[in-house]
Amino acid sequence: RKEVEQDPGPFNVPEGATVAFNCTYSNSASQSFFWYRQDCRKEPKLLMSVYSSGNEDGRFTAQLNRASQYISLLIRDSKLSDSATYLCVVNTAGGYNKLIFGAGTRLAVHP
Amino acid sequence: NAGVTQTPKFQVLKTGQSMTLQCAQDMNHEYMSWYRQDPGMGLRLIHYSVGAGITDQGEVPNGYNVSRSTTEDFPLRLLSAAPSQTSVYFCASSPLRSSVSYEQYFGPGTRLTVT
Repeated sequence: RKEVEQDPGPFNVPEGATVAFNCTYSNSASQSFFWYRQDCRKEPKLLMSVYSSGNEDGRFTAQLNRASQYISLLIRDSKLSDSATYLCVVNTAGGYNKLIFGAGTRLAVHP
Repeated sequence: NAGVTQTPKFQVLKTGQSMTLQCAQDMNHEYMSWYRQDPGMGLRLIHYSVGAGITDQGEVPNGYNVSRSTTEDFPLRLLSAAPSQTSVYFCASSPLRSSVSYEQYFGPGTRLTVT
């Protein structure tokens, strides 16, 4: 079983739609969680950290469910520019060298 | 700031050749790392460094060497290229601090093909 698993997609949604991705992780001792965004043939960039209480940044909402060991990302009012691959990242034991990256979920927003 | 830069952007090697992928950052970050990204897999850590003169292995270090003689530079050397090393290589850097977000700043990547 992979340490971090994501549905690869693609999720094809129209502009204005709400879309949600889940990511499951296997290590119950994992300490911190992140979503990165990666555009086609580009480098990953941090989208947002995921806090225990959940957090929101504009149209993006991240949630953590420690009991079920998953994190989620909700995107409201999707824009064409949201088309990208979203990487779930889990820090399993503290330290930059313990970041585990999921393979990513691809989102395609169409007019 | 240029951020994290990588050269070359593309490279084709024959099996058995060696080469060095260059990585540099101008943000004075202590932590630097190399990842490889393959289709259907997450980024995997190859080697990392927490400062000049200090390096350590990540998840997939075999076939690669690194050195860190300065804070700015962290080259990755392929000793004897194999087709299994065909991948996209990303260098990343981060500041080390006690209260961390673990945000990593990635370079644009090097696309390597080994034939």
